[in-house]
Amino acid sequence: DAGVIQSPRHEVTEMGQEVTLRCKPISGHDYLFWYRQTMMRGLELLIYFNNNVPIDDSGMPEDRFSAKMPNASFSTLKIQPSEPRDSAVYFCASSRGRSSYEQYFGPGTRLTVT
Amino acid sequence: ILNVEQSPQSLHVQEGDSTNFTCSFPSSNFYALHWYRWETAKSPEALFVMTLNGDEKKKGRISATLNTKEGYSYLYIKGSQPEDSATYLCAPAGGGADGLTFGKGTHLIIQP
Repeated sequence: DAGVIQSPRHEVTEMGQEVTLRCKPISGHDYLFWYRQTMMRGLELLIYFNNNVPIDDSGMPEDRFSAKMPNASFSTLKIQPSEPRDSAVYFCASSRGRSSYEQYFGPGTRLTVT
Repeated sequence: ILNVEQSPQSLHVQEGDSTNFTCSFPSSNFYALHWYRWETAKSPEALFVMTLNGDEKKKGRISATLNTKEGYSYLYIKGSQPEDSATYLCAPAGGGADGLTFGKGTHLIIQP
């Protein structure tokens, strides 16, 4: 298996633009997680899905952030409009089951909003 | 959101020495405790997932123990090697949620 795939790997955009980050989980994994990593807050959970259904989005910072999982092999995280404080590395991870299973992380998308 | 404390924040160890560090988390509503290894410019990689009080897991020179009653876990590295240099993250899951709350990590540097 190729592992968790994320695209793009790097994204530079101007404030106010829409940004879409993409993730393909490992085949057969029922759980998908979106994390954000910043120097100040470390690695924090934004939202997670179970069988394509959003379960907990309490970590999504504000209404400018939205996430979807239209099928078992694809998820998006959208920021509209983007702001400089959204600059961070965004990771997608997947796992076979609940929290007693290890999570496999993608390579991350480094987002810079100018 | 769980309160997760990792100590020390950073650690310099001589090659060949053994070391350990701590993860503290709320003991109530505990479900699982994860340890991840995160090398610079890479993604976090799972080391262990532990669920039972008294659990002890081992992978090569790295091992971990779990105390769910008092809310802590130790990670041990025996005979440190330069390739062990990384940030080690712990993340408990609890309260019925499947998402993980990560600590800030222990940044380990092995000096040749």
